[in-house]
Amino acid sequence: NAGVTQTPKFRVLKTGQSMTLLCAQDMNHEYMYWYRQDPGMGLRLIHYSVGEGTTAKGEVPDGYNVSRLKKQNFLLGLESAAPSQTSVYFCASSYYRPANYGYTFGSGTRLTVV
Amino acid sequence: GESVGLHLPTLSVQEGDNSIINCAYSNSASDYFIWYKQESGKGPQFIIDIRSNMDKRQGQRVTVLLNKTVKHLSLQIAATQPGDSAVYFCAESPGRFNTGANSKLTFGKGITLSVRP
Repeated sequence: NAGVTQTPKFRVLKTGQSMTLLCAQDMNHEYMYWYRQDPGMGLRLIHYSVGEGTTAKGEVPDGYNVSRLKKQNFLLGLESAAPSQTSVYFCASSYYRPANYGYTFGSGTRLTVV
Repeated sequence: GESVGLHLPTLSVQEGDNSIINCAYSNSASDYFIWYKQESGKGPQFIIDIRSNMDKRQGQRVTVLLNKTVKHLSLQIAATQPGDSAVYFCAESPGRFNTGANSKLTFGKGITLSVRP
């Protein structure tokens, strides 16, 4: 099993450009999450999904959109990138409620907005 | 508000010594706790977990202790090795019976463990 796969691994965007980050998991996990990680800020939840076709806002959702059209995929979109969105983005998934199983993380996407 | 915090941002230990990483949590309803390890350039990886009905749980070279009275969690690493150098996060979950908006972990900010040769 590949676990949680994130693509791309690195990306440089110009301010105002758009892009989509893809997260794919092959573990039949129900719950999926997008976090950003910045120095000194820890992991901050952007959006999450508790099942196919569902999404919910996390702690820092502004400037991002998500979609969960298929159970195995969770897409994070930046409609108009800003330098403040320079960060490392992590996707995670959980079989069911994370209270029972915790998360499995992807290896991250390093995004730089210039 | 609810938060999970770490007492120290960095910890430096001598190779071969034991390491103790501490974490405080404020949500008395927390039911499940996890320690993650994040090596440079990688995603966090599960180390060990513990439920609120336990005080201690042991893995390979790692032990997690839970003190619910003072809402304190600690990770002990025995005979610390260079490969243990990483950022360590504690995480907590509000309870196994919560669903929907509460179905997510709360993370501490992380502590860097540096192992001196």
